[in-house]
Amino acid sequence: EAGVAQSPRYKIIEKRQSVAFWCNPISGHATLYWYQQILGQGPKLLIQFQNNGVVDDSQLPKDRFSAERLKGVDSTLKIQPAKLEDSAVYLCASSLDPGAGANVLTFGAGSRLTVL
Amino acid sequence: QKEVEQDPGPLSVPEGAIVSLNCTYSNSAFQYFMWYRQYSRKGPELLMYTYSSGNKEDGRFTAQVDKSSKYISLFIRDSQPSDSATYLCAMNNQAGTALIFGKGTTLSVSS
Repeated sequence: EAGVAQSPRYKIIEKRQSVAFWCNPISGHATLYWYQQILGQGPKLLIQFQNNGVVDDSQLPKDRFSAERLKGVDSTLKIQPAKLEDSAVYLCASSLDPGAGANVLTFGAGSRLTVL
Repeated sequence: QKEVEQDPGPLSVPEGAIVSLNCTYSNSAFQYFMWYRQYSRKGPELLMYTYSSGNKEDGRFTAQVDKSSKYISLFIRDSQPSDSATYLCAMNNQAGTALIFGKGTTLSVSS
């Protein structure tokens, strides 16, 4: 099966500019996640979607970050305006049926953001 | 105290060594415990997972969970240069919730 697709792979912007990342999960996976991974850290959850509804966005900085998952498939994560501390890899992951046993997440390769 | 603690290393071993990677956690409600491997500039990939306490073996890899001590381990036998990567522990407290990750331990296996 095709994996989780993300684009762009790399993005360099100046602070206060905006940026958007796109994710296409594995076909049939109902749940989609966005994680932020700062260099030297583990991934930190930003938002979890179940189909096109938000399950958990408690750690999303809503003053600058937004995410949507229209039609329960693709998702977009936007940052506006970006800050220096937003420099990180943004990982998208999906899972098939999180309610059935272990919630096995499959990750994309990530989108690496550098804010200057 | 962070929910999941993991020594970031780095850890350097010679080829063929036995490697032990560990995490501790504070939330006694965690039930599912996973190990992900992340190569440089790649996304994490699942190695193995266990439910509740006990051991699980898969080839050269063994995962152990000790819920009484809130301590999990991953052992790698006969380590290979291809095992050089960052190893992330992850866990959650019930099916359906997002995983909480440790910082990751960077492992380097030299030939």
